[in-house]
Amino acid sequence: SQQGEEDPQALSIQEGENATMNCSYKTSINNLQWYRQNSGRGLVHLILIRSNEREKHSGRLRVTLDTSKKSSSLLITASRAADTASYFCATDPYYGQNFVFGPGTRLSVLP
Amino acid sequence: DTAVSQTPKYLVTQMGNDKSIKCEQNLGHDTMYWYKQDSKKFLKIMFSYNNKELIINETVPNRFSPKSPDKAHLNLHINSLELGDSAVYFCASSQEDVETQYFGPGTRLLVL
Repeated sequence: SQQGEEDPQALSIQEGENATMNCSYKTSINNLQWYRQNSGRGLVHLILIRSNEREKHSGRLRVTLDTSKKSSSLLITASRAADTASYFCATDPYYGQNFVFGPGTRLSVLP
Repeated sequence: DTAVSQTPKYLVTQMGNDKSIKCEQNLGHDTMYWYKQDSKKFLKIMFSYNNKELIINETVPNRFSPKSPDKAHLNLHINSLELGDSAVYFCASSQEDVETQYFGPGTRLLVL
């Protein structure tokens, strides 16, 4: 598997439910970021969590980072139809390797 | 007042042609990037420029060449286009290396 790999690949939920996406990576990192991509658009930065942080909140978003398990999760609470998009995690590896995006989770929020 | 802009938005061309995609950012960032997103949505970094110096150069074919006339621009030149070059190309910028990146809307390239 590649550095920065999300699961599930696709997730379909009802409006109002919570959506959880996970990201796993292989090497030590400086930080991990989550991005959103609406269909046919560029990526939009959502949140950055540094390697010395365990949890971060931004509005309805909650990100956790477990460096011992090399994993992160993105929780979107009280989802809305407008949250329908692909969500990517991106890692900044510690040892000067390239900034790497995972393949993304495609989230569909049904009204 | 678009932060990161790319032109053209769509590009349809014949195999073997040479084309360029332009990118401009008005955020005052010092690092700019080019990414390729394939049909399966995998996003791979191709190049980055910091203060007009190439600092990341993935193993992309040398038919691809980035050109940065100034800190606000990073253009992508592609020679002898091939079918496999069809993809969406995104430009991005950041204030420092690999911190938060701001993406352009993408250029959808189709090689026939």
